[in-house]
Amino acid sequence: KNEVEQSPQNLTAQEGEFITINCSYSVGISALHWLQQHPGGGIVSLFMLSSGKKKHGRLIATINIQEKHSSLHITASHPRDSAVYICAVGRGSQGNLIFGKGTKLSVKP
Amino acid sequence: DAGVIQSPRHEVTEMGQEVTLRCKPISGHDYLFWYRQTMMRGLELLIYFNNNVPIDDSGMPEDRFSAKMPNASFSTLKIQPSEPRDSAVYFCASSSPGRGSYEQYFGPGTRLTVT
Repeated sequence: KNEVEQSPQNLTAQEGEFITINCSYSVGISALHWLQQHPGGGIVSLFMLSSGKKKHGRLIATINIQEKHSSLHITASHPRDSAVYICAVGRGSQGNLIFGKGTKLSVKP
Repeated sequence: DAGVIQSPRHEVTEMGQEVTLRCKPISGHDYLFWYRQTMMRGLELLIYFNNNVPIDDSGMPEDRFSAKMPNASFSTLKIQPSEPRDSAVYFCASSSPGRGSYEQYFGPGTRLTVT
């Protein structure tokens, strides 16, 4: 069993829909990261959180430490949100990461 | 800041050849990470450095892989000899937890193809 599990693996949505991507982990963590990888391959850090909730524009990330679960929400989705979203957990004080397999999101106009 | 810089962006080589990938971290960042991404295994940590010292190389697949960080602004990942199964995208990332954030900044990656 992977230490970081994401669901769903693939997600297709219509523009404007509310999207949720889930991440569960089985290890102790120092922080949880949500990353975005565009079709061109570049990786961008969206959020890093260790408790509660963070919001940036149309993106919201939540984490429940007791349940070892995090969600990434996208409100009013847009085709430019199409990307692979990767959950990663940081171990130890250095923050080296263990990655989920990613969720491929496609938003249709 | 220019962000994390990697070179080359693409590398095509023949099996058995030596390959050297290069990374310049963000100035002031004291942690540097090398990751590999494949379709089958996703992103995996290969090795990371703190203040130029290798801390954890348990992700390095074989002795054919080696990494160095001679100074705070430069790191290399070398594969010798290369094999087709080494074909992947290799990412370098840097961070500065001492400044209060574990956020990692990724370079654009090097796409390696070994034929």
